[in-house]
Amino acid sequence: GENVEQHPSTLSVQEGDSAVIKCTYSDSASNYFPWYKQELGKGPQLIIDIRSNVGEKKDQRIAVTLNKTAKHFSLHITETQPEDSAVYFCAANLGGGSNYKLTFGKGTLLTVNP
Amino acid sequence: DSGVTQTPKHLITATGQRVTLRCSPRSGDLSVYWYQQSLDQGLQFLIQYYNGEERAKGNILERFSAQQFPDLHSELNLSSLELGDSALYFCASSVHPDGSYEQYFGPGTRLTVT
Repeated sequence: GENVEQHPSTLSVQEGDSAVIKCTYSDSASNYFPWYKQELGKGPQLIIDIRSNVGEKKDQRIAVTLNKTAKHFSLHITETQPEDSAVYFCAANLGGGSNYKLTFGKGTLLTVNP
Repeated sequence: DSGVTQTPKHLITATGQRVTLRCSPRSGDLSVYWYQQSLDQGLQFLIQYYNGEERAKGNILERFSAQQFPDLHSELNLSSLELGDSALYFCASSVHPDGSYEQYFGPGTRLTVT
């Protein structure tokens, strides 16, 4: 079926290192790929998104890359800080036409160790 | 703060009961999405309303229903509750009518069914 797979499920890095989270999607018609950060006890927060007409987008320490041919996209966080510790979710709009719905990956628990 | 509000924050009820969760979207947003988040299923799309009309359905049980009112707030009704309905319920809002644009999540309602 239509789904979004996310890896790894947990990631532990040292403060200052980079972190990379990868996702693959099944629907070749997907054209919108957001990333969300969820801290404990809070709702998911949109941190960056990318559309299929670009291959990379950056916002300060966060970047997202998209490979439409391979149907995968990745989140890159550089110079990680303890406050980056959270669960990160990727998502893709699946369904096509007027029926696009966001489908989320299972999440990655990122721990940044001071 | 996303601008999306949800009430109540916590809800504890017994099996077989019925509850109503409320969501107010960001000012100007016409779309409201409802999601269920559980440890085993992740973040699952339930249903979407756009400007008062049902727009899309996901994995929503027949025991669950929703509506969006003229002031654009939305309510999710859960009936004949089962233990497995215990989860976090989030609403998200968006300006646009389909799942190909930014969605902003509320803080969620934690439902515990005993």
